[in-house]
Formats: sequence, structure tokens, C-alpha cells
Amino acid sequence: GNSVTQMEGPVTLSEEAFLTINCTYTATGYPSLFWYVQYPGEGLQLLLKATKADDKGSNKGFEATYRKETTSFHLEKGSVQVSDSAVYFCALSGSQGGSEKLVFGKGTKLTVNP
Amino acid sequence: DSGVTQTPKHLITATGQRVTLRCSPRSGDLSVYWYQQSLDQGLQFLIQYYNGEERAKGNILERFSAQQFPDLHSELNLSSLELGDSALYFCASSVTPFTEAFFGQGTRLTVV
Repeated sequence: GNSVTQMEGPVTLSEEAFLTINCTYTATGYPSLFWYVQYPGEGLQLLLKATKADDKGSNKGFEATYRKETTSFHLEKGSVQVSDSAVYFCALSGSQGGSEKLVFGKGTKLTVNP
Repeated sequence: DSGVTQTPKHLITATGQRVTLRCSPRSGDLSVYWYQQSLDQGLQFLIQYYNGEERAKGNILERFSAQQFPDLHSELNLSSLELGDSALYFCASSVTPFTEAFFGQGTRLTVV
């Protein structure tokens, strides 16, 4: 079935460091891919999305490119801030067994220190 | 504000009891999802509805049930509650099952 695998955390960085959170997926057909962010005590918020191969989603300095050849959707940011500390979830939306599902990875906790 | 409203925000109840969690999706969204988030299990998909019909089922226990009403709001019913049911329960909605989902703030259920 459809699944998402993202790098285990936690990840701890210093402010202004470069961030990469790896995400790979398994899916039939052509899923849409998403990154969600969950700040402490809050619900999940959509960070960015890509709906077809080679699409690049971007928002708030974060970027991810839909790579069908490597089935990946890695999240990157050039210079993280303390306010980026949160849990990041990779997700895909696609058809599985005749129904559509939104499937999430386990989440990666990011802590950015000043 | 995502536009998805969940009530109540917090719920404390005793083992063996039954509770109902409510979700109002964003205006125009036809699809509703329910997720359970606990520390050790991560984000678990429970069930999905689209325009009143069940579309997909995940790891939902038999003690749990849900429905989506004609006005598109949804309710998640949890019965014979156990300590292990303590978790955050999120509702999300989307226009269609393939588009991005928007999450509510969640209901924190504590079973004592």
C-alpha cells in the first residue's frame, strides 16, 4: 500500500544552519505530496505541496521538489530560525485499494537553538 | 485559523464511558478525515468521509464509530473508553480526497 518514510528525529540545529529532512514514498499512480508542520500545542498546518513530478513547492523559505525517479520529496531550508522549531510531517494523497487516502510519515521533530 | 472547527478542545472522562467529538469542516470542503495522535503511535489515520459517505478506513477500533451528516459536519464517537485511548484527535477537511487537507486544532481526550 501507499506509505511515507521520513528521517527519524529529533534534529537539532543552530540558528542559520541549513536544514534537510528526507522523505521517500511508495505509491501507485501519481500521488500528490505535502509537507505539514505542527507547532507545539497546535494542529497540523499545510507548509507546501507538489502535485506532479518535478514540481517544486515552496513557502516561508522552505522548499521541496517532487522527484518521481527517486520517489522523494525532501524538505530544505537554507537558514533556519528558532521559530522553525516544530514537528514536520511528510504526506501523500493517492489512490489505494479503490479509495483515496492521505498518508503521513511519522514526523521529524526539529529544534533550532539560538 | 484553518477554518476547521473542532469541539470540545479538551475532554476528561472515566474509563468505560462514551464521548462524541465534533468537527465542522471548512466551507466548501466535502471530505472529512479523522486522525488520532499519541506520543508512541504518531499520527494514525482513522476514517475518511466524502459528501456523507465513508470512503476509507484506517486503524479505527470497533469501539469507535463516525459519521458525516448532510450539512457535512462530522462526529467521532468513542465508547467503552480505555486509558490507552487518551490522545489528541484531529479532524481535517479538503475539497476532494486528492487535494490538500486542512486540520482543526484537535480535541485532547484524557481518560482517567
